[in-house]
Amino acid sequence: DAGVIQSPRHEVTEMGQEVTLRCKPISGHDYLFWYRQTMMRGLELLIYFNNNVPIDDSGMPEDRFSAKMPNASFSTLKIQPSEPRDSAVYFCASSPDRVLAAFFGQGTRLTVV
Amino acid sequence: KQEVTQIPAALSVPEGENLVLNCSFTDSAIYNLQWFRQDPGKGLTSLLLIQSSQREQTSGRLNASLDKSSGRSTLYIAASQPGDSATYLCAMRDANAGKSTFGDGTTLTVKP
Repeated sequence: DAGVIQSPRHEVTEMGQEVTLRCKPISGHDYLFWYRQTMMRGLELLIYFNNNVPIDDSGMPEDRFSAKMPNASFSTLKIQPSEPRDSAVYFCASSPDRVLAAFFGQGTRLTVV
Repeated sequence: KQEVTQIPAALSVPEGENLVLNCSFTDSAIYNLQWFRQDPGKGLTSLLLIQSSQREQTSGRLNASLDKSSGRSTLYIAASQPGDSATYLCAMRDANAGKSTFGDGTTLTVKP
């Protein structure tokens, strides 16, 4: 397996534009997590899914953020409209179940100008 | 709410030294504890995973311990090498919900 795959690796966009980040988890993993990493706040959990169902979205900063998992092999994190303070590295991770290790993707570095 | 603290925030050692990184947490109701390595501009690589019922795990020059009663975990790196230079993060997996809380990391620099 190629691991957790995220795209794009880098994204630069203007304030107000819609941004969509994509994630393909490891096949067979039932848990999928979206994290955001900044210098100021470290790694923060935004939302996670179990069997494609959102379980906890309490970390989503505001209504501009939304996440979907239409099937077991794909998830998106959307920001609309984007703001400069959304600039961060966004990581996706997957796990076979809630007691085993989580595997992280390489992240998407988002810059909103 | 789980809080995870890593001390020190940064550490610089000469090559060959043995070192310990510390991680403390406030809520002992965890499924597991995971140590990660992050290189600049890269993702997270899992190093060691300790289940709640375990006390330590070893992989090569790395040894991680878990003491739930004191809310502490340590990552021991033996005979450090310049290639060990990275940021090391610990994460607690919530016993109820399955989500992880991360510390802010310790940035290690091993000087040749």
